Amino acid sequence: DIQMTQSPSSLSASVGDRVTITCRASQGISHYLAWFQQKPGKAPKSLIYGASSLQSGVPSRFSGSGSGTDFTLTISSLQPEDFATYSCQQYNDYPFTFGPGTTVDIK
Amino acid sequence: QVQLVQSGAEVKHPGASVKLSCKASGYTFTDYYIKWVRQAPGQGLEGMGLANPGGGNTKYAQEFQGRVTMTWDTSTSTVYMELSSLKSEDTAVYYCARGTWAYGMDVWGQGTTVTVSS
Repeated sequence: DIQMTQSPSSLSASVGDRVTITCRASQGISHYLAWFQQKPGKAPKSLIYGASSLQSGVPSRFSGSGSGTDFTLTISSLQPEDFATYSCQQYNDYPFTFGPGTTVDIK
Repeated sequence: QVQLVQSGAEVKHPGASVKLSCKASGYTFTDYYIKWVRQAPGQGLEGMGLANPGGGNTKYAQEFQGRVTMTWDTSTSTVYMELSSLKSEDTAVYYCARGTWAYGMDVWGQGTTVTVSS
């Protein structure tokens, strides 16, 4: 199975900060990488598919990049509603595995 | 609008089985697979497998092989996930999500809490 890692596991940031989260796959997955946002007690929300394409309705301050094994999720200017846990998932090879998540909290 | 509506919370004893449902609406049911993902308290997301009504097949994660069965009813656009031989470690919120092979998962259900306790 493809293993997904994320760094950092958590970070503290302020409103307006630029935030970058890294996701790494144990083997190449082309661009088949998705990002999800999850708030406590809520279902995950899909943010990005295909490593860099935004799901419908996702604000443009979110962006994704990467290909192969290394990927990033960037929030250009953190907003109060962005404090959450972010997880990556590869869907290149079954089973589609998730990263452990990165929690973004308020500094 | 596209929706996945899941069945209500369940409380089960160890060794029992649970069958959850995920009812789809607002799209062509057979154009998407339905993936089941669970999240134990305080833990990350864990994929369990998927049901692919359009292709007529299922795929299960290795750790659930032999314990999980996913089925569907095209007439009601509903996917079912049955997990047997429940253990306390199966206590979690179970989510369904629709997806495609090219674009991954986009819409999630609201989740179903399953509690396994003696």
